[in-house]
Amino acid sequence: GENVEQHPSTLSVQEGDSAVIKCTYSDSASNYFPWYKQELGKGPQLIIDIRSNVGEKKDQRIAVTLNKTAKHFSLHITETQPEDSAVYFCAASSSRDSGYALNFGKGTSLLVTP
Amino acid sequence: DAMVIQNPRYQVTQFGKPVTLSCSQTLNHNVMYWYQQKSSQAPKLLFHYYDKDFNNEADTPDNFQSRRPNTSFCFLDIRSPGLGDAAMYLCATGEQGHHEQYFGPGTRLTVT
Repeated sequence: GENVEQHPSTLSVQEGDSAVIKCTYSDSASNYFPWYKQELGKGPQLIIDIRSNVGEKKDQRIAVTLNKTAKHFSLHITETQPEDSAVYFCAASSSRDSGYALNFGKGTSLLVTP
Repeated sequence: DAMVIQNPRYQVTQFGKPVTLSCSQTLNHNVMYWYQQKSSQAPKLLFHYYDKDFNNEADTPDNFQSRRPNTSFCFLDIRSPGLGDAAMYLCATGEQGHHEQYFGPGTRLTVT
C-alpha cells in the first residue's frame, strides 16, 4: 500500500517568513496530492491540491510543487501570519484505489510567532 | 452553505457500552467516509460508502460498523468501545470519480 512520509513534524517560523513542508510517497500509481490544514478541535480543511500531470500550483500565499520522478511534493507558505498556525497534513491517493482513499502523512505542527 | 455536519461534537461513553456517531451532508455527494484520528496522529480510513455500497478497510476492527440509510446520512456504530477507541472520528464526503474530500468538524469520543 501507499506510504506517505512527512517532514518536519514541528516547524516554528517568525511572522513574515516562509514555511516549507515536505512529503514523499511510495506508490507510483498515486496521482492526487492534497494538503489539509487542521486547527485545534476542528476537522481538516482542504487548502490546496495538485494532480500528477502538473508540476506546480499556486493560490495566493500558498504553493505546492510535485516531483513525480523523485516521488515528493512540498507545501510552501510565504509571508506567514499567526493565523497560519495549525497542523498541516499531506496526503496521496490513486484513481486505482476504491473510493480514492487518502493516505495521510503524520502531520506538521506549524507555529508562526509574531 | 453546503456542508458536512457531525453530531454530537463530543461524546462520552462507558467501556463496552455501544455508541453511535452521526454524519449528515448537504453537498449531495455520493461517497461518504469515516476516519479515525487518534491524538497527534494522522486520520486513518475506517470505511467508505459509494452510494449504498460498503467498503471496509482490511484492518478496520469488527467492533466498528456503519450504516448509510440514504444519501445524506451516515452512521458509525461502535459495538463495544474499548479505551483504545478514544479518538476524534471524522466524516468526509466526495464524489465518485473525483479525489477531493470534504471533512466535517469531527466527534471527539471519550471512553471511561
